Amino acid sequence: ETGVTQTPRHLVMGMTNKKSLKCEQHLGHNAMYWYKQSAKKPLELMFVYNFKEQTENNSVPSRFSPECPNSSHLFLHLHTLQPEDSALYLCASSQEHSFYEQYFGPGTRLTVT
Amino acid sequence: GQQVMQIPQYQHVQEGEDFTTYCNSSTTLSNIQWYKQRPGGHPVFLIQLVKSGEVKKQKRLTFQFGEAKKNSSLHITATQTTDVGTYFCAGPGQYGNKLVFGAGTILRVKS
Repeated sequence: ETGVTQTPRHLVMGMTNKKSLKCEQHLGHNAMYWYKQSAKKPLELMFVYNFKEQTENNSVPSRFSPECPNSSHLFLHLHTLQPEDSALYLCASSQEHSFYEQYFGPGTRLTVT
Repeated sequence: GQQVMQIPQYQHVQEGEDFTTYCNSSTTLSNIQWYKQRPGGHPVFLIQLVKSGEVKKQKRLTFQFGEAKKNSSLHITATQTTDVGTYFCAGPGQYGNKLVFGAGTILRVKS
């Protein structure tokens, strides 16, 4: 499946680094999402964008900063992360809002050292 | 806030046995969706149920949506090793701008 792509697939960063995760969807969808998935934990919704506007910020620490320049691209800017931020970060898209199914990207496996 | 709960958290079955996971919402849902995540993979959409009491089948998988539209189930008949993974249910959030996912049921199949 190549409908939703994410780069990089793996990332190791120190706590003082700044990095960005990129997501691109080729499905013509209008809503995009960032999720965090930690080991043995449920999917945690982080941010929702609909038609490029942020419609949900699920109490995410400010060291995570999302950016949605258009309906096809979504970024997650990372700075001064903590080791507990190590997780799989998944991007997803859907036609719009919650009635429609979501298509997930392969994820970025992030390790904070 | 709205909650979607799934049970069991984990199930280990012998190949050929049946498997069922249950999903319960604290609120009435306009629809419910099911996803599967293989080990090392990402969630993949399986199906959406919309109508009260709806039943849908995909080969050995049977999905049901409760009459009150607050619960759902996924039943797998005669499990195979390819069925391993985590099965999530999800329903629309209160304001319709997101999906609320259950914690998932991890299925392991012994061959």
